[in-house]
Amino acid sequence: EIVLTQSPATLSLSPGERATLSCRASQSVSNYLAWYQQKPGQAPRLLIYDTSNRATGIPARFSGSGSGTDFTLTISSLEPEDSAVYYCQQRSNWPPDTFGGGTKVEI
Amino acid sequence: QVQLVESGGGVVQPGRSLRLSCAASGFTFRSYAMHWVRQSPGKGLEWVAVISYDGSDDYYAESVKGRFTISRDNSKSTLSLQMDRLRTEDTAVYYCARDLDNTGYYYRYFDYWGQGTLVTVSS
Repeated sequence: EIVLTQSPATLSLSPGERATLSCRASQSVSNYLAWYQQKPGQAPRLLIYDTSNRATGIPARFSGSGSGTDFTLTISSLEPEDSAVYYCQQRSNWPPDTFGGGTKVEI
Repeated sequence: QVQLVESGGGVVQPGRSLRLSCAASGFTFRSYAMHWVRQSPGKGLEWVAVISYDGSDDYYAESVKGRFTISRDNSKSTLSLQMDRLRTEDTAVYYCARDLDNTGYYYRYFDYWGQGTLVTVSS
């Protein structure tokens, strides 16, 4: 099973700042990595799939990069509504597809 | 608009059974593989099971294999999860989620989720 490790656990930033979230895989997942946003009391929302493809309706301030074992989600200019927990997920080697433990972004 | 509405959660004793349902609307249900994903405070997000668009194929996480059964009724746009021999570690919010791909392929990203139903396994 591939383990995904996210860092930092918590990120505290101000509106307009740039957020950089990291996801590291225990072995290569090629480019088969997604990012989700989850707000309190809500289900996760798909932001990015296959490393860098934005899902339908996702603002351009969200971008993804990386390959192999190291991936990054960047939020270029934080909005107050971006406060949430962000999870990465891999689909390279299954079953199972696995998720990271999450990064909480506080604004 | 796409809607997924889960039901059937509740409190159940270890060793007992529970059946979850997910009613889908707003899209061509029969064209998509469908998943169950659960979330618990201790283990975070965990993929549970997937069923193919036509119900002919399915896969399970090792933690539930042999105890849980995923099924679907395309005539009613409904997804189900039969959970038998429940354990305390199955306590979680269970989400049904749609696969990103609409050609029947297992893309295995989840583009729409329900609101979740809470399952608590406790004596």
